[in-house]
Amino acid sequence: ETGVTQSPTHLIKTRGQQVTLRCSSQSGHNTVSWYQQALGQGPQFIFQYYREEENGRGNFPPRFSGLQFPNYSSELNVNALELDDSALYLCASSFSATSGETQYFGPGTRLLVL
Amino acid sequence: RKEVEQDPGPFNVPEGATVAFNCTYSNSASQSFFWYRQDCRKEPKLLMSVYSSGNEDGRFTAQLNRASQYISLLIRDSKLSDSATYLCVVNGYTGGFKTIFGAGTRLFVKA
Repeated sequence: ETGVTQSPTHLIKTRGQQVTLRCSSQSGHNTVSWYQQALGQGPQFIFQYYREEENGRGNFPPRFSGLQFPNYSSELNVNALELDDSALYLCASSFSATSGETQYFGPGTRLLVL
Repeated sequence: RKEVEQDPGPFNVPEGATVAFNCTYSNSASQSFFWYRQDCRKEPKLLMSVYSSGNEDGRFTAQLNRASQYISLLIRDSKLSDSATYLCVVNGYTGGFKTIFGAGTRLFVKA
């Protein structure tokens, strides 16, 4: 086990609603990245937080937003949910934000948008 | 063109076979390279980091060719437990941290 936890494990929402997903990083890690993984695809990078600041962002619209807290846990918020937002959402923590750091993934949250 | 491309797969091999995975990336400024393994309905886990000098971990060998923007993974003496999806990962900084996963190559090892 990596020590990265995510909640909830599963979630069902309807189109137009908002959702908040949570991630607790591994002890000693100050960096959290979020990913969206659709069925049969590789994880797509949403954004990364380093010491409570956004440190990089992938090609996702502004309705995907995040936070990192002083204890380095993190939230992913998605507004105005669309059917295509149905996916596995993964968070990963790392010791630092350098590009060579190993990322340790949590088990993910499965989101279904109806 | 995708920023990171992998063999589409799936690969079906018998136990004991040697199998090679290939990955190309488009951004020459990319800095770090990895292979991750993902089992069905599980999270990705680091298999190996990839260096220009090449690196080996038991039956697994990874290689990076920066000039050709190409990464490879070789698995020797395949085991049933090697059955999984193998993800190529490229990290860098382009106006902020960026990481790109390939779509993955599925491997089935059969008895």
